[in-house]
Parts: sequence; C-alpha cells; structure tokens
Amino acid sequence: DTAVSQTPKYLVTQMGNDKSIKCEQNLGHDTMYWYKQDSKKFLKIMFSYNNKELIINETVPNRFSPKSPDKAHLNLHINSLELGDSAVYFCASSLAGKDRGKLFFGSGTQLSVL
Amino acid sequence: QQQVKQSPQSLIVQKGGISIINCAYENTAFDYFPWYQQFPGKGPALLIAIRPDVSEKKEGRFTISFNKSAKQFSLHIMDSQPGDSATYFCAASKNANAGKSTFGDGTTLTVKP
Repeated sequence: DTAVSQTPKYLVTQMGNDKSIKCEQNLGHDTMYWYKQDSKKFLKIMFSYNNKELIINETVPNRFSPKSPDKAHLNLHINSLELGDSAVYFCASSLAGKDRGKLFFGSGTQLSVL
Repeated sequence: QQQVKQSPQSLIVQKGGISIINCAYENTAFDYFPWYQQFPGKGPALLIAIRPDVSEKKEGRFTISFNKSAKQFSLHIMDSQPGDSATYFCAASKNANAGKSTFGDGTTLTVKP
C-alpha cells in the first residue's frame, strides 16, 4: 500500500485553466503539506494543515488554494494557471510528537503549463 | 535569505569510495536535521536524521556528523554504490514548527561503477 499517494502523476494544461491535485495518506499522520520543487530541484513548502486546520501558508499566490476535508486528505486547487506554475508538486505528511520533522512524501505531480 | 546552504551541487565518486555532502545553517533555533534521498520521478525519502544533542549518528553506510558550534552538518556515504546515485537534500526544522522544513538546494551524486 502506498503511504502518501497523489493524483495525477502528470498534468499538462493550458495557461488560464483551473486544475486540482489530490493527496491521500494512510499513515495515520495528523499533518499534511504541499511542497513545490522547481526545475532546479529547489524544494519549498507552500502549505501545511494539521487536523484540517491551516497552520502554514507561505508566500504563495492566492490562485493556490489548499483544502483538507479530513486529516487523511489534502487537495490543492490552482486557478488561472500561469507558465511559472510549471513544477513538481509534492504532498507530504508527518506525525505529531518528537518525529514531526520526519516527512513522508508522495511521488509528486509534474505540472506543465503550456 | 537562504537558511540552509548545501554543497557541493554535484558529486562524482567511484564505486567503493566515500561521498561527503555538507550543509550549513544559520538559525540556531533549528533542532532537527534530516537528510533526504530522491531518485528521478520519485519523492524525497528520509534517509537519516540527527538532533543537536549528539555529534554523530550512523545507520548502515550512512553517517551524519554534526558540529553545533560551527552550525554545520554533513552526510557521509561509505562504500558508495551505483545504486546510491540520486539527489540528496539536507533539511532543518524547529521543534515548534517541525513540519516546516527548510531544505538545502540538493546535491546530485553519481557513483561510477
């Protein structure tokens, strides 16, 4: 069983479109994240939810809106896609307690905006 | 402001050699220092992590050395194998907000047979 799964794996779309990426974790973790990895492989946190509550919201355009229906799911919706949004988006999760810095990542969604 | 600086950007090592990747951090509030390994097309996977109360941690062929006074930590891969070829990221986080990890820029390791 995949611990952190996200769909789709690849997303190719036109500028101006709206798209969503879904993420689910079956690890029983209470915190989930979205990270963005650009073409140079730089990894940067975008959002974090703890038990459905937004706790981290980095400087991200408000075209990006995360939603967490429950603590096992975290989705990312992107409005009015721009060329610069092309990147790999990773969902991750972690458990509360002393190991909460230990992140478990999904396999990523490669977004290409044409 | 880059809080975690990683070097080198790329590294080529012969099979059986030692791979060494270094990271330096600025924020003394950081208290959890993991290393992640990423293969092409996959997400980063936790390899090994250390807290600042110890100077070294070893797991198999992987060792983290930690120098609190210098605010530096490094990953040593002993007996490097071609299967170790991947991108390695160091990271740092604060206990109070441990999920908000700050990542280094990554090191692409190539182990030649």
